[in-house]
Amino acid sequence: NAGVTQTPKFQVLKTGQSMTLQCAQDMNHNSMYWYRQDPGMGLRLIYYSASEGTTDKGEVPNGYNVSRLNKREFSLRLESAAPSQTSVYFCASRVVTGKDEQFFGPGTRLTVL
Amino acid sequence: GENVEQHPSTLSVQEGDSAVIKCTYSDSASNYFPWYKQELGKGPQLIIDIRSNVGEKKDQRIAVTLNKTAKHFSLHITETQPEDSAVYFCAARISGGGADGLTFGKGTHLIIQP
Repeated sequence: NAGVTQTPKFQVLKTGQSMTLQCAQDMNHNSMYWYRQDPGMGLRLIYYSASEGTTDKGEVPNGYNVSRLNKREFSLRLESAAPSQTSVYFCASRVVTGKDEQFFGPGTRLTVL
Repeated sequence: GENVEQHPSTLSVQEGDSAVIKCTYSDSASNYFPWYKQELGKGPQLIIDIRSNVGEKKDQRIAVTLNKTAKHFSLHITETQPEDSAVYFCAARISGGGADGLTFGKGTHLIIQP
């Protein structure tokens, strides 16, 4: 069991470039989440997906899009990166039924110049 | 929406002493309160959680207390060890309210002095 995996681990972009962060989980979880972590800010929810085919906005969705490709995979896309999107991005997943624990991936460190 | 405040932002204790981290939440509907530990360069890992129908929960050297009336909860670590050094986050959510994510506090950097 690999748990939650994320690619890439590190990425540097120039302002205006686009990229997709990938996330996959092998725990057969229904819900998946994307958070960003900034120094002194804790983690903030960007988007989440309750199940395959559904997505909803979280606290800070502006500038991002997501795709729940299937039950395992949930991607985060930056269409036109901005320096304000420099952050560490974490993907997480949760079983939902009877369980509240969220399992986090190792993170993607993104720098936008 | 929910707002979670966490204090202190940095906590330094001598090895073997106890550490206490406190959080308050704003939404009385929140009923699930997890604590996460994050080591450098890694994702957060759940260490203990508590639900609103319980006032206290303990797991070896770690305990969490919840005061629903005052809307605050605390993490207690006893007999601290060097491997306890990390950033700790409290969080809150409304369990059973769908797939909404967690609302996190801003974190506490716990330093264990040898």
